[in-house]
Amino acid sequence: EDQVTQSPEALRLQEGESSSLNCSYTVSGLRGLFWYRQDPGKGPEFLFTLYSAGEEKEKERLKATLTKKESFLHITAPKPEDSATYLCAVQVRSNDYKLSFGAGTTVTVRA
Amino acid sequence: GAGVSQTPSNKVTEKGKYVELRCDPISGHTALYWYRQSLGQGPEFLIYFQGTGAADDSGLPNDRFFAVRPEGSVSTLKIQRTERGDSAVYLCASSLGAGEYNEQFFGPGTRLTVL
Repeated sequence: EDQVTQSPEALRLQEGESSSLNCSYTVSGLRGLFWYRQDPGKGPEFLFTLYSAGEEKEKERLKATLTKKESFLHITAPKPEDSATYLCAVQVRSNDYKLSFGAGTTVTVRA
Repeated sequence: GAGVSQTPSNKVTEKGKYVELRCDPISGHTALYWYRQSLGQGPEFLIYFQGTGAADDSGLPNDRFFAVRPEGSVSTLKIQRTERGDSAVYLCASSLGAGEYNEQFFGPGTRLTVL
C-alpha cells in the first residue's frame, strides 16, 4: 500500500529563518510527487509537481527537491505570509489520477 | 479565470438525513475528483470522473455515498442516511485530463457537520 509520511507535524519559524519540510514515500511505480499549500478554511493550492529523482523546482521562497525515497520543501527566508499547511501527495503509474496525501506540515512564521 | 467552486460552503444536518454537495469544475476540465478531509489529515480520494462516467469509485466508503456528473461538467456528491462519522470537509478538484496534464486544482470545500 502506498504510504506518505510528512515531518515534522508542525514547524514554528522566525521570519527569515530558513528550514526544510520532509515528505518520505513508499510506493510502487511513482509517477509524480505533488506539493500543495493549504490555508485554513481553504482548499489545497497547487505548488509543484516533481517527476524524477534529482529534479528541482522553485517558486519565490520555496524550492522542492526529489530523491527516490523522499522529497524536501525548502523555505528560504520565510515571511509571515508563508504560514500555512504544506501537503505532499504521490501518484503512481497504475492509477495516474489518484493523489495519496500525507497529513501535512503546519508552518507558522512569526514576524 | 474562475476556479473550482463548491456549494454550499457549510452544511449542517442531522443524523439520518440526506445531503447533496455540488461542484463546478474549471471550464474545459474533463477530469473531476472528490476527496474527503478530516481534521488534521490530508485529503483522501473518493471518486474520479473522466467526462460523464465514474472511472474509479473505489474510495467511496460505502453504498450510502454516490456521485454523478450527468453532462460532464457539474458534479453532485450525494450522501444518504448521514452518520456523525461523515462529518468532514468534502473537496472537489478538476484537471485538464489524467496522465500528463493532470495537475489537480481544488475548490474551497464543503464543510459537512452531522449532528
